[in-house]
Amino acid sequence: QVQLVQSGAEVKEPGASVRVSCRASGYNFIYSYIHWVRQAPGQGLEWMGWLNPNSGSANYAQNFKDWVTMTRDTSISTAYMELTRLRSDDTAVYYCARSPSTVPTYNYWGQGTLITVSS
Amino acid sequence: QSALTQPRSVSGSPGQSVTISCTGTSSDVGAYNYVSWVQHHPGKAPKLIIYDVNERPSGVPDRFSGSKSGNTASLTVSGLQAEDEADYYCCSYVGTSTVVFGGGTKLTVL
Repeated sequence: QVQLVQSGAEVKEPGASVRVSCRASGYNFIYSYIHWVRQAPGQGLEWMGWLNPNSGSANYAQNFKDWVTMTRDTSISTAYMELTRLRSDDTAVYYCARSPSTVPTYNYWGQGTLITVSS
Repeated sequence: QSALTQPRSVSGSPGQSVTISCTGTSSDVGAYNYVSWVQHHPGKAPKLIIYDVNERPSGVPDRFSGSKSGNTASLTVSGLQAEDEADYYCCSYVGTSTVVFGGGTKLTVL
């Protein structure tokens, strides 16, 4: 069955970087897009961007363009989302989600990764 | 890109129906039939319940239905059950090949 398994929770200091992984199984990794969505405490879902695992191309939400990078390693069917220059308001649960394309048809989600930014 | 507008909360008694609205613009909801709804129980992964405005993934009960008129999409939950109590988010494709979410609606089953 299709599964997206994300890396574990992390605590980071302000100004640091973090990389969250999302390992896909149960389908051909390169034929579906991976989107990243986050939820800060008490807030709603916020779209961050998508990755095309086939080409490696990515598109980011305007709010994240300067400090997020989405990449992949097709040999291990894993997508990555790296955030740099972390701030306290980046504390959130980060989700990866599979979609057939750039549209928001998120039929599978990862379990979420809590990133806490604190000194 | 501004978030889509949803009511903060709705409520209904078991067996009743509720409708959650999702208002966007002519650049997102009004322009494309790529509106989805996700159900989110706190502490769990979100779950897709409607895509492409009114399509249900397999396994989603037909108590959930979606529609759209102009720049506003709607999710209707009929025959409310206790397990429907959750947060519901709409999201839409935007012409810049991006996606925007609504602010979320808390559904309370009384």
